[in-house]
Amino acid sequence: EAGVAQSPRYKIIEKRQSVAFWCNPISGHATLYWYQQILGQGPKLLIQFQNNGVVDDSQLPKDRFSAERLKGVDSTLKIQPAKLEDSAVYLCASSLTQGNTEAFFGQGTRLTVV
Amino acid sequence: SQQGEEDPQALSIQEGENATMNCSYKTSINNLQWYRQNSGRGLVHLILIRSNEREKHSGRLRVTLDTSKKSSSLLITASRAADTASYFCATVNTGGFKTIFGAGTRLFVKA
Repeated sequence: EAGVAQSPRYKIIEKRQSVAFWCNPISGHATLYWYQQILGQGPKLLIQFQNNGVVDDSQLPKDRFSAERLKGVDSTLKIQPAKLEDSAVYLCASSLTQGNTEAFFGQGTRLTVV
Repeated sequence: SQQGEEDPQALSIQEGENATMNCSYKTSINNLQWYRQNSGRGLVHLILIRSNEREKHSGRLRVTLDTSKKSSSLLITASRAADTASYFCATVNTGGFKTIFGAGTRLFVKA
C-alpha cells in the first residue's frame, strides 16, 4: 500500500516569497491533516479536512496561509508571503475516518526561510 | 494551543530497562494515540486507546488511560537502542475530532 506522498522534500526561500506544498494521501482516506512542526516541538495542527470540507482551521494563519483539497483527494498548502518564523517541517497526514483511526504521515517538507 | 503535555521532556535509560512516559490533557477526548518519531523521519502510529478503555498492550508497549485524571502513560518494556526517538501523545476530542499533539518526550536508550 502506497503511503502519504509529499513534495518537495526540501525548500529554501527568501522571506516575503511564496511557496506551495503538495500532498497525496492514501487512497480512500477521507481525512487529511496539515501540521507544522518547529524543531524541538510537537506537530501543530494547521488544518483538517474531511473529504473536501474544512473541519478545523483555527490555528491556520489565514493572512498568509491557505490550503485546499480539491475533489477530496490531493491537497496543497500555500504560504504567501513567507516569514522567517515559518521555517519548519510541514507534515501531511491522512486517516480512513475522522479521529477514530490512526493517522499515516508523510515524510514532510522541510522549509527554510532566509 | 496543544492539548496533550508529555512528562518528562527527556528520558535517558540503559538498554534493557523500562521507559515510562506520561501525557496529561485538558478536555474530554474520544481517544488518545501515541506516536513515535525517529530523528529525521516521519511520525509512526504506535497505539490508540479509546475513552472507554483503561489499558492496551501491543508487543513491548503498554498504554493506560485514566479519564478521571485526564492522563495517559506509555510503558516500553525491555528497551532497545532502536527505541531511541521522540514519543508524542495525540488527543482526539469529542465532537470535532480534532487531533492535537503534545510537545513530546525525547527518549535516549544507551547500548
